[in-house]
Formats: sequence, C-alpha cells, structure tokens
Amino acid sequence: DAGITQSPRHKVTETGTPVTLRCHQTENHRYMYWYRQDPGHGLRLIHYSYGVKDTDKGEVSDGYSVSRSKTEDFLLTLESATSSQTSVYFCAISNRESTGELFFGEGSRLTVL
Amino acid sequence: KNEVEQSPQNLTAQEGEFITINCSYSVGISALHWLQQHPGGGIVSLFMLSSGKKKHGRLIATINIQEKHSSLHITASHPRDSAVYICAVGNYGGATNKLIFGTGTLLAVQP
Repeated sequence: DAGITQSPRHKVTETGTPVTLRCHQTENHRYMYWYRQDPGHGLRLIHYSYGVKDTDKGEVSDGYSVSRSKTEDFLLTLESATSSQTSVYFCAISNRESTGELFFGEGSRLTVL
Repeated sequence: KNEVEQSPQNLTAQEGEFITINCSYSVGISALHWLQQHPGGGIVSLFMLSSGKKKHGRLIATINIQEKHSSLHITASHPRDSAVYICAVGNYGGATNKLIFGTGTLLAVQP
C-alpha cells in the first residue's frame, strides 16, 4: 500500500473557526491533491500541488487555502469554516511521472456546526 | 451535461453474476481510472487505462478511445464486491494534472 495518511480522520467544529487538515506521504510523489466528496457530486478538486510551494486551484477552491513546504506534506486550511464545508475530504497522490497511478488517503470527515 | 457519465447509477446483482459498469466521457483524455470505494471506506485505485484492456483477478477494464467509452466488468461477482465504483478521466497535457470524476455506480451483490 502507498504510504499516505490524513489527519485528523474526524473533526467537529463550529462555524467561523479555522481548520487545518494534513496529508502526509512517504512515497516522494510530486503531485498531491485535495478533494471533497459530497452526495450527488462525486469527488471535486479543491486544490492540487505539483511540487514544493507549487499549487493551483481546483473547481471548488473558494474558502480553502493550501500549503506545501515539504514534498511529504500538503495542508488544507479552512480559514473560517462554514456549514457548507461539511464534507468528507480526501487527499490523493500520483506518480504521474511513471505509472500515473492514484493513491488516496483514508479520508477526513469534517462537520461544521 | 456532466463530462463523465456512469451507468447504471445503482446495480443489484446475485452472487456469481457477470457485472458490467459503463463510463462515457466527452473530453479528450490521457488516461482513465477505475476506483473502488467500500461504504464508509477509503478509495482504492483498480485500474488506469489509456488504451485496450487490463485484467486483475476477476476484474476486467476496457477502453475505446474513439468512442470515448470504458467498461468495468466483474466476473463471478461476490458480496465483497459490493461498493461504489468510480470512473475518472485525466488529461495530463501541459502543467495541469486534473481529473474529472463520475458520480459513481453503487453495486450491491446479494448472496
């Protein structure tokens, strides 16, 4: 199994509070992604990274920011959480340079009250 | 219209049946992925295809680039195959590496 872990796995927070989700990989892959999964929408890209300090927006990036200061860590921050950000968040990594396979983290369930 | 359409959305089968899940897309792609997600669980990559056919155990994936269509087949289905199967397409040209996901097919295999 690819080495990719997310933390925390579950979080309940209140509207207006900041939240940071962490994705950690041990595979040294260049590409990392944050998705959210909601019923009826499938997986939607929030932000992705193609290298240290290189990030770009996805289709649902409003209200989210990311940082990647090391190859192994990709952080997703909700500066001021809203109820619409209640979701399951998945991190993924890709070894696009070779096989192009995708590996997903276990998911982080966030509830914003 | 979604750029990636899966059919059927829901599928119930009896153990041992041959199952086919379809994925059609409307964009140019570099590769197509089939993913599996068990209820409440994580997401596992089953196949990545850019042409032809791949087989892994009881799972077979095919793609027809000209028709922009892919199928995932499960032979001799088993209750443990019950999961959501997700198709995703990627265009890896240029600086982007984005995937577009279908909404998934919920498969229930009854014993």
